[in-house]
Amino acid sequence: RKEVEQDPGPFNVPEGATVAFNCTYSNSASQSFFWYRQDCRKEPKLLMSVYSSGNEDGRFTAQLNRASQYISLLIRDSKLSDSATYLCVNSGAGSYQLTFGKGTKLSVIP
Amino acid sequence: EAGVAQSPRYKIIEKRQSVAFWCNPISGHATLYWYQQILGQGPKLLIQFQNNGVVDDSQLPKDRFSAERLKGVDSTLKIQPAKLEDSAVYLCASSLAQPNTEAFFGQGTRLTVV
Repeated sequence: RKEVEQDPGPFNVPEGATVAFNCTYSNSASQSFFWYRQDCRKEPKLLMSVYSSGNEDGRFTAQLNRASQYISLLIRDSKLSDSATYLCVNSGAGSYQLTFGKGTKLSVIP
Repeated sequence: EAGVAQSPRYKIIEKRQSVAFWCNPISGHATLYWYQQILGQGPKLLIQFQNNGVVDDSQLPKDRFSAERLKGVDSTLKIQPAKLEDSAVYLCASSLAQPNTEAFFGQGTRLTVV
């Protein structure tokens, strides 16, 4: 069973649309959760951390559901510059090991 | 602040040859990771160091891959001998040894084995 699963997409959405990604994880002992963004042929960069109480940063909202073992990312008012691959990441207790999903590709079209 | 430095950026080798990658993490970061990212997939952890000790190398193909971080700072990853399926981007990342902390990635080394 894969540890972190994401829908690979691609999600093709028009500018201004709202889009949501979900991610499920199998390790119930996971302590920390993140969304990373990866542009084509670039390295991953942290988009936002996901806290138990949720996290909002401008147009981006992340939620954690521990009971169902999934996290979500909501992007409102999509911009062309949001086009990228979004990687779901979790970290186990104590080891700080980061486990990545395969990523969800988003294309925002004019 | 300097980021994670990796070299070389690109490498093309023939199968069965050897190759080595170098990583210099952000100053003060005790945790260092090597990831392999095959095209179209997410990064896969190969090995994780805490200072100069190995925390996890369970997914490192030890018959051909080796890594070291002798002084707890720089690290090298070696492949010997390389196979065609080793073609990938090798990403080094570092972080503080704390929970809920961001990992910073280098630009990666793109390896092509022909």
